[in-house]
Amino acid sequence: QQQVKQSPQSLIVQKGGISIINCAYENTAFDYFPWYQQFPGKGPALLIAIRPDVSEKKEGRFTISFNKSAKQFSLHIMDSQPGDSATYFCAAFKAAGNKLTFGGGTRVLVKP
Amino acid sequence: ETGVTQSPTHLIKTRGQQVTLRCSSQSGHNTVSWYQQALGQGPQFIFQYYREEENGRGNFPPRFSGLQFPNYSSELNVNALELDDSALYLCASSLVGENTGELFFGEGSRLTVL
Repeated sequence: QQQVKQSPQSLIVQKGGISIINCAYENTAFDYFPWYQQFPGKGPALLIAIRPDVSEKKEGRFTISFNKSAKQFSLHIMDSQPGDSATYFCAAFKAAGNKLTFGGGTRVLVKP
Repeated sequence: ETGVTQSPTHLIKTRGQQVTLRCSSQSGHNTVSWYQQALGQGPQFIFQYYREEENGRGNFPPRFSGLQFPNYSSELNVNALELDDSALYLCASSLVGENTGELFFGEGSRLTVL
């Protein structure tokens, strides 16, 4: 069963533009909601994470918005750069079991 | 600080064979998890090991098994390979108690089953 749904599957943005990726989850018993970035041939790496009792978290050009009542969260990449071209995965983390449940991924291409 | 390393990076097997994949955890980490990532999809949790015991399992059949060794390195074994087992297998390590959702992933082992 898919507990984390992610959209869009892919997006193209011009350099300097904003990339927005959305996720929805189905289970309320998660402890953190991280976003991972994966480049071709590499494993996923943590980009930014948010606790469910916080509505927004910003780190540099990356911002997570979290809506607990709607069970939705999103990643905004401001001033997108060609180096941001990668696949982004939202995830839901359960501390008991140390388990990540990933969304299906969004392939982002930033055009120069 | 040494990151998570996995071997082999690529391998090809035929249906029905068995495969063993290996992982060395990041220095200082005591848990190791394995994930399966099919092409174009998000990683799926297989299982996690802590103190050399399986500590959680995803929706994978028993022919997927693992080991964790005293030095925290790990193996993933898959018996009776099926075509659908073709995927990137990712190993991730972390430290119990630091439950912020950050796992450190290796670059994976790409398995092709013919």
